Amino acid sequence: EAGVTQFPSHSVIEKGQTVTLRCDPISGHDNLYWYRRVMGKEIKFLLHFVKESKQDESGMPNNRFLAERTGGTYSTLKVQPAELEDSGVYFCASSPPGGYRTDTQYFGPGTRLTVL
Amino acid sequence: AQSVTQLGSHVSVSEGALVLLRCNYSSSVPPYLFWYVQYPNQGLQLLLKYTSAATLVKGINGFEAEFKKSETSFHLTKPSAHMSDAAEYFCAVSSTGNQFYFGTGTSLTVIP
Repeated sequence: EAGVTQFPSHSVIEKGQTVTLRCDPISGHDNLYWYRRVMGKEIKFLLHFVKESKQDESGMPNNRFLAERTGGTYSTLKVQPAELEDSGVYFCASSPPGGYRTDTQYFGPGTRLTVL
Repeated sequence: AQSVTQLGSHVSVSEGALVLLRCNYSSSVPPYLFWYVQYPNQGLQLLLKYTSAATLVKGINGFEAEFKKSETSFHLTKPSAHMSDAAEYFCAVSSTGNQFYFGTGTSLTVIP
């Protein structure tokens, strides 16, 4: 079974540019999460999709971030325009239908974003 | 509210020595706790999780963790470190909304 995949693995952009990150969850997983780790800090929650609906987007930093999950399969996270403080590693995770607190979340390898 | 504190951002142990990585949590609801490991250039992989079934939880690769409610702790241990254990380890607690709250991570170095 394929795991969670993320693309690209690395992205280097200039301040003010736009970047789109993609996450493909494990097939059949209704729950999809985005997290971010700024260097040296904890991994922080950004948002949670259940199928194509945003269940919780309380962690999104500001309106420069837009997440979508059209059709309830893969998800994209767009940052527009990017700022220096957006640099970090963006992780995607997925979990099976049901959404219980005890569920394991399966993480992708992350996208390392560097904003210059 | 939920939070996790991992004491020691870097831990070094000799090969064959005991590994002890500390995790303390705060939770306003009964806690469910997770340990993940991240090897270089890979995603986070679940080591083990506590879901209230048993306080001593055994995971993969010889790791185990003990849930101690009185100490609000969920420390990760392994009796004998192996070179392949060198990685970054994350403790997390799940919230009422299913999001995870992570600690800042502990980087484990194993000295031959």
